[in-house]
Amino acid sequence: EVQLLESGGGLVQPGGSLRLSCAGSGVTLSNYTMTWVRQAPGEGLESVSVISSSGDGGATLYSDSVKGRFTISRDNSKNTLYLQMNNLRAEDTAVYYCAKNHPFGGPFDYWGLGTLVTVSS
Amino acid sequence: DIQITQSPSSLSASVGDRVTITCRASQTIRTFLNWYQQKAGKAPKLLIYAASTLQSGVPSRFSGSGSGTYFTLTISSLQPEDFATYYCQQSYNTLRVTFGPGTKVDIK
Repeated sequence: EVQLLESGGGLVQPGGSLRLSCAGSGVTLSNYTMTWVRQAPGEGLESVSVISSSGDGGATLYSDSVKGRFTISRDNSKNTLYLQMNNLRAEDTAVYYCAKNHPFGGPFDYWGLGTLVTVSS
Repeated sequence: DIQITQSPSSLSASVGDRVTITCRASQTIRTFLNWYQQKAGKAPKLLIYAASTLQSGVPSRFSGSGSGTYFTLTISSLQPEDFATYYCQQSYNTLRVTFGPGTKVDIK
């Protein structure tokens, strides 16, 4: 059974940093495009960062809202996806989900439970 | 980025009702359109991908149609467990997906 489990969320002051992790089981994350999706309280879904499969070169992409502050990476030996978040702002407050792309391509067929990031002084 | 709109933003319906949600893209996305269901406090769940393909394990009362810029999600007979928020997502470019703003379905 495929499972994704995020960790690393918490309360951080504006300007601070956090690193989120997404551990995979029942699936080899490097074989798929993986995405970090966030959801601010009471709001919709936003794809913030994506990394293509190792077979597709591991290309990375960021939304304009996090470009230059967030870095997505993957440790294939640990089967874990990361999101390094620097210079955090209040508007980054959200539940962060990692999501695995469907073999078809764009849809996300598996999601983690999410981890809450709160940026506040 | 491709913009996605959904309508209505919310609706009230009764168990057994037929419910239709629409999604429009700002440019043609062929059939690269997916639908998700999200219940409060939970992660989204993939219902339909490629506009009309039912994800494994999803009840057949859910169906999707459309191509180009106009898409619909239909629930043929609303069940109590279907009260949730529904999002469409375009995946025309796999690395640049965007979501619609969501449609909340609640009990009339």
